[in-house]
Amino acid sequence: KNEVEQSPQNLTAQEGEFITINCSYSVGISALHWLQQHPGGGIVSLFMLSSGKKKHGRLIATINIQEKHSSLHITASHPRDSAVYICAVRPIITGNQFYFGTGTSLTVIP
Amino acid sequence: EAGVAQSPRYKIIEKRQSVAFWCNPISGHATLYWYQQILGQGPKLLIQFQNNGVVDDSQLPKDRFSAERLKGVDSTLKIQPAKLEDSAVYLCASSSIRAYEQYFGPGTRLTVT
Repeated sequence: KNEVEQSPQNLTAQEGEFITINCSYSVGISALHWLQQHPGGGIVSLFMLSSGKKKHGRLIATINIQEKHSSLHITASHPRDSAVYICAVRPIITGNQFYFGTGTSLTVIP
Repeated sequence: EAGVAQSPRYKIIEKRQSVAFWCNPISGHATLYWYQQILGQGPKLLIQFQNNGVVDDSQLPKDRFSAERLKGVDSTLKIQPAKLEDSAVYLCASSSIRAYEQYFGPGTRLTVT
């Protein structure tokens, strides 16, 4: 059983569409990461959340601690947004470790 | 500030050969992580260091994998001998003790043939 579940696993969108990726987790957490991974393998941190909502450019991340759920939204999607988006949570019980989802593979078609 | 550095970026070896990966974390970051990411899966923690001590290596296959961080700065991960199922991206990440955020390196893509 994976403590972090993401949906959908794969997503194809037309350029300009609004995109939502969901993350649900089963443990109490102190923080949640949204990460972006391009085909070369490197991972970039997009957001670190512990409550509420954060916005950076066309990206918005929200978290509901009570419902153990987070969403990553991309407005006006662009082909350069094509990547794998990974949700990672920092459980309260672990010392500075993260549990990772399996990722959502996004392809934005021009 | 410079990011997490890893080398090599790509490596192709035959099964039963040995391979080593190197990671240099962000300056001042006490915590260093090695992850294995198999295609289609999320990263799996192999080992976590705090300074030069091991915090968690419960998922490290110790019969073939070893890692060290002798001076509490850069780290090496070794596989000896490699198996086909070791083909993956090996990610290094670091964080400061107080911060929750991890910073990832570009990864090393290993192919075992």
